[in-house]
Amino acid sequence: ETGVTQSPTHLIKTRGQQVTLRCSSQSGHNTVSWYQQALGQGPQFIFQYYREEENGRGNFPPRFSGLQFPNYSSELNVNALELDDSALYLCASSLSRQNTGELFFGEGSRLTVL
Amino acid sequence: GENVEQHPSTLSVQEGDSAVIKCTYSDSASNYFPWYKQELGKGPQLIIDIRSNVGEKKDQRIAVTLNKTAKHFSLHITETQPEDSAVYFCAASKGGSYIPTFGRGTSLIVHP
Repeated sequence: ETGVTQSPTHLIKTRGQQVTLRCSSQSGHNTVSWYQQALGQGPQFIFQYYREEENGRGNFPPRFSGLQFPNYSSELNVNALELDDSALYLCASSLSRQNTGELFFGEGSRLTVL
Repeated sequence: GENVEQHPSTLSVQEGDSAVIKCTYSDSASNYFPWYKQELGKGPQLIIDIRSNVGEKKDQRIAVTLNKTAKHFSLHITETQPEDSAVYFCAASKGGSYIPTFGRGTSLIVHP
């Protein structure tokens, strides 16, 4: 059973640019959530996808968008990057119909905006 | 929305001592309370969770207690070991979507 994998692991962008982060969910999981973790903070919920549909969204502006594909992998896109977007972006997968609620996190993509 | 407060932000203990991390939540409808451990360079990993229909749960050296009336829950680690050093996050969520709101984390340092 493969775990959650994210790419790229690190990247540097400049203000105003756009970025796409990718996530492959754990085998058999149909739900993917994205979190932003600023340095020294807890993960902040961005949005969740279930079977290719957005299933919940946190307090993030529309320039944060996402996709989930038929194989349940996912992308996070951020447009018009700002300095405050610098953070670790975590992807977590889960099997929504399981009763445990456990999230399985990847190791994250660290984004630096200059 | 839900708000989760976590204390302390840093906790330093000697190997073998116990460690306690405390969290409070604001939404009385929350009914699922997981704890995650994040090691350096890794994503968070679930270590224990508790649901609102129980007051305490134990798994070897770790235990979690829940007080629904006071809306607070705690993580207890006994006989700490250097490998317990990590950042610990509490979280709260409501059933159905299981989208947790996380606390700000506690950096636990266990000195050999």
